[in-house]
Amino acid sequence: EDQVTQSPEALRLQEGESSSLNCSYTVSGLRGLFWYRQDPGKGPEFLFTLYSAGEEKEKERLKATLTKKESFLHITAPKPEDSATYLCAVQAGSWGKFQFGAGTQVVVTP
Amino acid sequence: EAQVTQNPRYLITVTGKKLTVTCSQNMNHEYMSWYRQDPGLGLRQIYYSMNVEVTDKGDVPEGYKVSRKEKRNFPLILESPSPNQTSLYFCASSLSQGPREQYFGPGTRLTVT
Repeated sequence: EDQVTQSPEALRLQEGESSSLNCSYTVSGLRGLFWYRQDPGKGPEFLFTLYSAGEEKEKERLKATLTKKESFLHITAPKPEDSATYLCAVQAGSWGKFQFGAGTQVVVTP
Repeated sequence: EAQVTQNPRYLITVTGKKLTVTCSQNMNHEYMSWYRQDPGLGLRQIYYSMNVEVTDKGDVPEGYKVSRKEKRNFPLILESPSPNQTSLYFCASSLSQGPREQYFGPGTRLTVT
C-alpha cells in the first residue's frame, strides 16, 4: 500500500537555526512529489514539484531535494514568517490520485 | 484574480440532512479534487475529476458524491451526513491531471451533530 510519512511532526526553531524536514514514501511509479505550505485557517499553498531522484529546487530560504525513497525540505536561516505546516504529497500510479503526509508543523521564534 | 472558491466556509448541520458544498475555479483548469483534513491524518483525497463528466474515487469516497457538469464547478454532496464526516474540506484544481501543482480553496469547516 502506498504510504507517505513526514517527520518530525513538529519542529521548533530559533530564528536563523537551519533544519530539515523529511518526507519518506513507499509508492509504485512515482510521477511527482510536491511540497506545500499551509498557514492556520488557510488552504495549502504550492512550493515545489520534484519529478526524479537527484532533482533539487530552491526558493528563498527553502530547498527541496529528492531521492528514490525520500525528500527533504531544508530551511536555511529561518525567519518567524516561515512558521507554518509543511505538507508533502505524492502522485503515483493512477493519474489524478494524490497522497499527502500528515505534515510537519514548524514554529520559528525570534 | 485566479482563485478557487468554496461555499459555505462554515456549516453546522444535523445527521441525515443532505448538504452540498460548492467549489468553483476561474482558471480554466481541467482537474479538480476534494480532500478532507483531520488532525493527525493529513489531507485525504475523496474524489477527483480529470475533466467534465469524468470523476473517480480517491481514498475515502464513502458517504460522498460529486458531479462535474461544467468545467469550473465541482460540488461535493453529502446525501446523509454523519458525525464522522465532521472535518475540514478543501477543494483544489490543477491545469491537468499530470504531476502539476494544485491550487486550493480556503476550506469549508463542517460539523455534523
